[in-house]
Amino acid sequence: TQLLEQSPQFLSIQEGENLTVYCNSSSVFSSLQWYRQEPGEGPVLLVTVVTGGEVKKLKRLTFQFGDARKDSSLHITAAQPGDTGLYLCAGVSGNTGKLIFGQGTTLQVKP
Amino acid sequence: KAGVTQTPRYLIKTRGQQVTLSCSPISGHRSVSWYQQTPGQGLQFLFEYFSETQRNKGNFPGRFSGRQFSNSRSEMNVSTLELGDSALYLCASSFRTGSLYEQYFGPGTRLTVT
Repeated sequence: TQLLEQSPQFLSIQEGENLTVYCNSSSVFSSLQWYRQEPGEGPVLLVTVVTGGEVKKLKRLTFQFGDARKDSSLHITAAQPGDTGLYLCAGVSGNTGKLIFGQGTTLQVKP
Repeated sequence: KAGVTQTPRYLIKTRGQQVTLSCSPISGHRSVSWYQQTPGQGLQFLFEYFSETQRNKGNFPGRFSGRQFSNSRSEMNVSTLELGDSALYLCASSFRTGSLYEQYFGPGTRLTVT
């Protein structure tokens, strides 16, 4: 069974601080996606990383895919209250349509 | 392009009843997946449909079923509802381009079973 472990589960920081969320697995994924979800809404796709070692930047968010394609990280620089939400990583399992989700990281950024 | 739409957004049912949820994917997307999200278990995969055929199935009892129509719209049915079925049910439509595979989620249907 493929599992994705996400850490930390909860994070409460002050505006302006930096943070990193980790997503680890013993399995190899063909690609990995990061989502952000707000209460009562569906997850919104932030980025997809495909190549081992790949780094993608989205404004203050930096996503990295591990060389072995088993792990990923999300780094947020100078967090803002608008970054508050549930961050989910999801691995794509081979050629299937099945996404394996991590448990999520609840981020609260206080003004 | 319009996003993924799900109806209804909220639903309250009683134990033992059945419920049908509907999902309309993004135009041109032929794959639709369903997920259950609860605070304790997180997001769990239910099943995926592609061109009216179930392509993948998660570890849920047979009370959970689905189908897809020729226009790619999908429905999910839960029979004999239990209290533990209370959850946010999410539908996602997807497309594949080479090794790139991305899913786009709808807003979800919040089901409460009393």
